[in-house]
Amino acid sequence: RKEVEQDPGPFNVPEGATVAFNCTYSNSASQSFFWYRQDCRKEPKLLMSVYSSGNEDGRFTAQLNRASQYISLLIRDSKLSDSATYLCVVKGGSNYKLTFGKGTLLTVNP
Amino acid sequence: EAGVTQSPTHLIKTRGQQATLRCSPISGHTSVYWYQQALGLGLQFLLWYDEGEERNRGNFPPRFSGRQFPNYSSELNVNALELEDSALYLCASSLNSRAGQPQHFGDGTRLSIL
Repeated sequence: RKEVEQDPGPFNVPEGATVAFNCTYSNSASQSFFWYRQDCRKEPKLLMSVYSSGNEDGRFTAQLNRASQYISLLIRDSKLSDSATYLCVVKGGSNYKLTFGKGTLLTVNP
Repeated sequence: EAGVTQSPTHLIKTRGQQATLRCSPISGHTSVYWYQQALGLGLQFLLWYDEGEERNRGNFPPRFSGRQFPNYSSELNVNALELEDSALYLCASSLNSRAGQPQHFGDGTRLSIL
């Protein structure tokens, strides 16, 4: 089983749609969780950390289920500028490295 | 505040040569991480430096090496370059290595092997 698995995508949605990204991780000792976005040929940028209680930042909601080892990201009222690859990222275990999912490409269409 | 800076932006080498990539972390950050992003493979962890010491390395051969300087900047060296080393190499820094600290990425160095 891969360390971090995401929906393979790609997702094509109209403006204003709600989009959900799902992610599972295999290491139960993982300690921290993040969503990054990466625009084409650019570096990954931190979108938001994911907390156990779930957290919201504007149109973005992230949730964590430690029992199921599952992370999600919900984007409401999607904008054209949300088009990017969304990376699920897990940190922890004994080596503190970040482990990235392969990413899910989102294209928001006018 | 300046972000993570990497140089050069692009590097073109031939097989068998050696490449040196450089990274300056965000001011105050002590941990530096290197990743390789090859086409179709996602981001792969290469090396982690903290307080001048190598703390961990990913599943890469020994010809990938690096170091961290007293000012926390870092170098990644790749010896005996192979075609499959062509990739975007990303450096990231975090305030420290404790859990919960996000990593912030530089723009990357695109290494092309001819």
